[in-house]
Amino acid sequence: AQTVTQSQPEMSVQEAETVTLSCTYDTSESNYYLFWYKQPPSRQMILVIRQEAYKQQNATENRFSVNFQKAAKSFSLKISDSQLGDTAMYFCASMGGGADGLTFGKGTHLIIQP
Amino acid sequence: NAGVMQNPRHLVRRRGQEARLRCSPMKGHSHVYWYRQLPEEGLKFMVYLQKENIIDESGMPKERFSAEFPKEGPSILRIQQVVRGDSAAYFCASSRRTSGAQNAETQYFGPGTRLLVL
Repeated sequence: AQTVTQSQPEMSVQEAETVTLSCTYDTSESNYYLFWYKQPPSRQMILVIRQEAYKQQNATENRFSVNFQKAAKSFSLKISDSQLGDTAMYFCASMGGGADGLTFGKGTHLIIQP
Repeated sequence: NAGVMQNPRHLVRRRGQEARLRCSPMKGHSHVYWYRQLPEEGLKFMVYLQKENIIDESGMPKERFSAEFPKEGPSILRIQQVVRGDSAAYFCASSRRTSGAQNAETQYFGPGTRLLVL
Protein backbone atom coordinates (compact mmCIF):
# COMPACT_ATOMS: atom_id res chain seq x y z
CA ALA A 1 0.00 0.00 0.00
CA GLN A 2 1.11 3.51 -0.71
CA THR A 3 0.63 6.56 1.48
CA VAL A 4 1.11 10.22 0.73
CA THR A 5 1.39 12.86 3.45
CA GLN A 6 1.05 16.61 3.07
CA SER A 7 1.73 18.23 6.41
CA GLN A 8 0.76 21.80 5.53
CA PRO A 9 -3.03 22.23 5.43
CA GLU A 10 -2.73 25.88 4.38
CA MET A 11 -0.05 28.32 3.28
CA SER A 12 -0.20 31.98 2.40
CA VAL A 13 2.46 34.06 0.61
CA GLN A 14 2.69 37.41 -1.13
CA GLU A 15 2.53 37.67 -4.88
CA ALA A 16 5.94 37.24 -6.59
CA GLU A 17 7.38 35.31 -3.63
CA THR A 18 8.67 31.76 -3.83
CA VAL A 19 6.82 29.07 -1.93
CA THR A 20 7.57 25.40 -1.27
CA LEU A 21 4.91 22.80 -0.59
CA SER A 22 5.95 19.64 1.24
CA CYS A 23 5.06 16.05 0.45
CA THR A 24 6.35 12.75 1.76
CA TYR A 25 5.33 9.34 0.55
CA ASP A 26 5.80 5.72 1.38
CA THR A 27 5.92 2.88 -1.11
CA SER A 28 7.46 -0.54 -1.44
CA GLU A 29 7.57 -0.28 -5.21
CA SER A 30 10.87 0.11 -6.98
CA ASN A 31 9.27 1.72 -10.01
CA TYR A 32 6.80 4.52 -9.31
CA TYR A 33 5.69 7.96 -10.39
CA LEU A 34 4.97 11.13 -8.46
CA PHE A 35 2.68 13.99 -9.41
CA TRP A 36 1.49 17.36 -8.26
CA TYR A 37 -2.04 18.37 -9.21
CA LYS A 38 -3.66 21.75 -8.73
CA GLN A 39 -7.35 22.21 -7.95
CA PRO A 40 -8.47 25.84 -8.29
CA PRO A 41 -11.87 27.06 -7.09
CA SER A 42 -13.41 25.63 -10.28
CA ARG A 43 -12.57 22.19 -8.75
CA GLN A 44 -10.96 21.02 -12.01
CA MET A 45 -7.90 18.81 -11.35
CA ILE A 46 -4.95 20.14 -13.35
CA LEU A 47 -1.63 18.36 -13.71
CA VAL A 48 1.22 20.62 -12.60
CA ILE A 49 4.27 18.40 -12.80
CA ARG A 50 5.33 14.75 -12.85
CA GLN A 51 8.46 12.85 -11.84
CA GLU A 52 9.60 9.34 -12.64
CA ALA A 53 11.28 7.77 -9.63
CA TYR A 54 14.08 6.28 -11.71
CA LYS A 55 15.16 9.73 -12.91
CA GLN A 56 17.61 11.56 -10.67
CA GLN A 57 17.07 14.91 -12.32
CA ASN A 58 14.35 17.04 -10.73
CA ALA A 59 11.44 17.87 -13.02
CA THR A 60 10.72 21.49 -13.94
CA GLU A 61 7.82 23.15 -15.74
CA ASN A 62 8.27 26.89 -16.14
CA ARG A 63 7.81 28.41 -12.65
CA PHE A 64 7.21 25.01 -11.07
CA SER A 65 9.96 22.65 -9.98
CA VAL A 66 10.30 19.74 -7.62
CA ASN A 67 12.91 18.66 -5.10
CA PHE A 68 12.83 14.88 -5.30
CA GLN A 69 14.75 13.19 -2.48
CA LYS A 70 14.32 9.48 -3.15
CA ALA A 71 16.10 8.18 -0.07
CA ALA A 72 14.06 10.44 2.19
CA LYS A 73 10.87 9.75 0.17
CA SER A 74 10.27 13.45 -0.15
CA PHE A 75 8.76 15.25 -3.15
CA SER A 76 8.32 18.97 -2.55
CA LEU A 77 6.95 21.49 -5.05
CA LYS A 78 8.54 24.90 -5.47
CA ILE A 79 6.59 27.71 -7.10
CA SER A 80 8.71 30.68 -8.14
CA ASP A 81 7.40 34.18 -8.80
CA SER A 82 3.99 33.21 -7.45
CA GLN A 83 0.93 34.68 -9.14
CA LEU A 84 -2.63 35.30 -7.98
CA GLY A 85 -3.78 32.53 -10.31
CA ASP A 86 -1.70 30.04 -8.36
CA THR A 87 -4.23 30.22 -5.53
CA ALA A 88 -5.62 26.68 -5.30
CA MET A 89 -5.52 23.37 -3.48
CA TYR A 90 -2.39 21.44 -4.36
CA PHE A 91 -2.40 17.66 -4.15
CA CYS A 92 0.63 15.42 -4.16
CA ALA A 93 0.01 11.95 -5.61
CA SER A 94 1.90 8.73 -6.24
CA MET A 95 1.38 5.77 -8.49
CA GLY A 96 3.30 2.54 -8.06
CA GLY A 97 4.59 0.52 -10.97
CA GLY A 98 2.09 -2.20 -10.26
CA ALA A 99 -0.75 -0.08 -8.92
CA ASP A 100 -3.31 1.43 -11.19
CA GLY A 101 -4.85 4.25 -9.23
CA LEU A 102 -3.26 7.38 -7.88
CA THR A 103 -2.85 7.75 -4.12
CA PHE A 104 -3.43 11.35 -3.07
CA GLY A 105 -2.42 13.38 -0.06
CA LYS A 106 -4.99 15.50 1.76
CA GLY A 107 -3.85 18.65 0.00
CA THR A 108 -2.39 22.06 0.82
CA HIS A 109 -4.50 25.15 0.34
CA LEU A 110 -2.18 27.79 -1.13
CA ILE A 111 -3.29 31.40 -1.01
CA ILE A 112 -1.39 34.05 -2.96
CA GLN A 113 -1.95 37.50 -1.47
CA PRO A 114 -1.82 40.61 -3.69
CA ASN B 1 -7.46 17.79 -28.63
CA ALA B 2 -10.57 17.51 -26.48
CA GLY B 3 -9.98 16.75 -22.84
CA VAL B 4 -11.77 14.28 -20.62
CA MET B 5 -15.51 14.91 -20.73
CA GLN B 6 -17.86 14.24 -17.86
CA ASN B 7 -21.60 14.69 -17.63
CA PRO B 8 -23.64 15.79 -15.99
CA ARG B 9 -21.58 18.40 -14.16
CA HIS B 10 -24.15 18.55 -11.36
CA LEU B 11 -26.62 15.87 -10.35
CA VAL B 12 -29.25 16.01 -7.64
CA ARG B 13 -30.92 12.82 -6.47
CA ARG B 14 -33.25 11.89 -3.64
CA ARG B 15 -32.37 9.06 -1.31
CA GLY B 16 -33.12 5.70 -2.91
CA GLN B 17 -32.80 6.89 -6.51
CA GLU B 18 -30.12 5.84 -8.98
CA ALA B 19 -27.27 8.06 -10.16
CA ARG B 20 -25.49 7.54 -13.49
CA LEU B 21 -22.28 9.43 -14.16
CA ARG B 22 -20.68 9.42 -17.60
CA CYS B 23 -17.08 9.84 -18.70
CA SER B 24 -15.57 10.07 -22.18
CA PRO B 25 -11.76 9.74 -22.15
CA MET B 26 -9.35 11.90 -24.09
CA LYS B 27 -8.84 10.96 -27.72
CA GLY B 28 -6.33 8.15 -27.95
CA HIS B 29 -6.81 7.09 -24.32
CA SER B 30 -8.26 3.66 -23.61
CA HIS B 31 -7.83 3.57 -19.83
CA VAL B 32 -10.34 5.15 -17.47
CA TYR B 33 -10.17 5.72 -13.72
CA TRP B 34 -12.86 6.90 -11.31
CA TYR B 35 -12.15 8.82 -8.10
CA ARG B 36 -14.36 10.22 -5.34
CA GLN B 37 -13.66 13.43 -3.46
CA LEU B 38 -15.54 14.01 -0.24
CA PRO B 39 -15.75 17.59 1.05
CA GLU B 40 -12.44 18.93 2.35
CA GLU B 41 -10.58 15.74 1.40
CA GLY B 42 -8.29 14.45 -1.31
CA LEU B 43 -9.36 12.14 -4.08
CA LYS B 44 -9.80 8.43 -3.40
CA PHE B 45 -9.33 5.85 -6.14
CA MET B 46 -12.40 3.75 -6.90
CA VAL B 47 -11.95 1.74 -10.09
CA TYR B 48 -9.78 1.30 -13.16
CA LEU B 49 -11.23 0.10 -16.45
CA GLN B 50 -10.19 -0.63 -19.98
CA LYS B 51 -12.63 -1.21 -22.80
CA GLU B 52 -15.03 -3.99 -21.72
CA ASN B 53 -12.85 -4.90 -18.72
CA ILE B 54 -12.65 -3.94 -15.07
CA ILE B 55 -8.97 -4.11 -14.19
CA ASP B 56 -8.94 -2.95 -10.58
CA GLU B 57 -11.99 -2.22 -8.43
CA SER B 58 -10.24 -2.33 -5.08
CA GLY B 59 -11.55 1.11 -4.12
CA MET B 60 -15.18 0.52 -5.00
CA PRO B 61 -17.73 0.05 -2.21
CA LYS B 62 -18.93 -3.53 -2.27
CA GLU B 63 -22.60 -2.66 -2.60
CA ARG B 64 -24.63 -0.28 -4.76
CA PHE B 65 -21.69 0.89 -6.87
CA SER B 66 -20.79 -0.46 -10.30
CA ALA B 67 -18.77 0.72 -13.29
CA GLU B 68 -18.50 -0.22 -16.92
CA PHE B 69 -16.61 0.87 -20.01
CA PRO B 70 -18.34 -0.63 -23.04
CA LYS B 71 -16.80 -1.16 -26.44
CA GLU B 72 -18.78 1.80 -27.73
CA GLY B 73 -19.68 4.86 -25.73
CA PRO B 74 -18.58 6.43 -22.48
CA SER B 75 -17.64 4.85 -19.20
CA ILE B 76 -20.50 4.78 -16.69
CA LEU B 77 -20.31 4.91 -12.91
CA ARG B 78 -23.62 3.78 -11.47
CA ILE B 79 -24.77 4.26 -7.91
CA GLN B 80 -27.96 2.50 -6.94
CA GLN B 81 -30.20 3.49 -4.04
CA VAL B 82 -28.16 6.57 -3.24
CA VAL B 83 -27.75 7.72 0.37
CA ARG B 84 -26.71 11.11 1.73
CA GLY B 85 -23.17 9.84 2.30
CA ASP B 86 -22.77 9.40 -1.47
CA SER B 87 -22.81 13.19 -1.88
CA ALA B 88 -19.38 14.02 -3.29
CA ALA B 89 -17.50 15.08 -6.38
CA TYR B 90 -16.79 12.17 -8.71
CA PHE B 91 -13.84 12.59 -11.04
CA CYS B 92 -12.91 10.56 -14.07
CA ALA B 93 -9.38 10.43 -15.45
CA SER B 94 -7.90 8.80 -18.52
CA SER B 95 -4.47 7.71 -19.68
CA ARG B 96 -2.83 5.92 -22.59
CA ARG B 97 -0.72 3.46 -20.60
CA THR B 98 0.67 2.07 -23.81
CA SER B 99 4.00 0.38 -23.24
CA GLY B 100 6.83 2.63 -24.35
CA ALA B 101 4.69 5.69 -24.93
CA GLN B 102 5.98 8.87 -23.35
CA ASN B 103 4.03 10.02 -20.31
CA ALA B 104 1.72 7.07 -20.89
CA GLU B 105 1.00 6.64 -17.20
CA THR B 106 -0.06 10.24 -16.63
CA GLN B 107 -3.73 10.60 -15.81
CA TYR B 108 -5.68 13.59 -17.08
CA PHE B 109 -8.83 14.53 -15.23
CA GLY B 110 -12.27 15.60 -16.29
CA PRO B 111 -14.14 18.49 -14.62
CA GLY B 112 -15.99 16.17 -12.25
CA THR B 113 -19.64 15.49 -11.45
CA ARG B 114 -20.96 16.96 -8.23
CA LEU B 115 -23.57 14.61 -6.80
CA LEU B 116 -25.92 15.91 -4.16
CA VAL B 117 -28.26 13.48 -2.43
CA LEU B 118 -31.22 15.08 -0.71
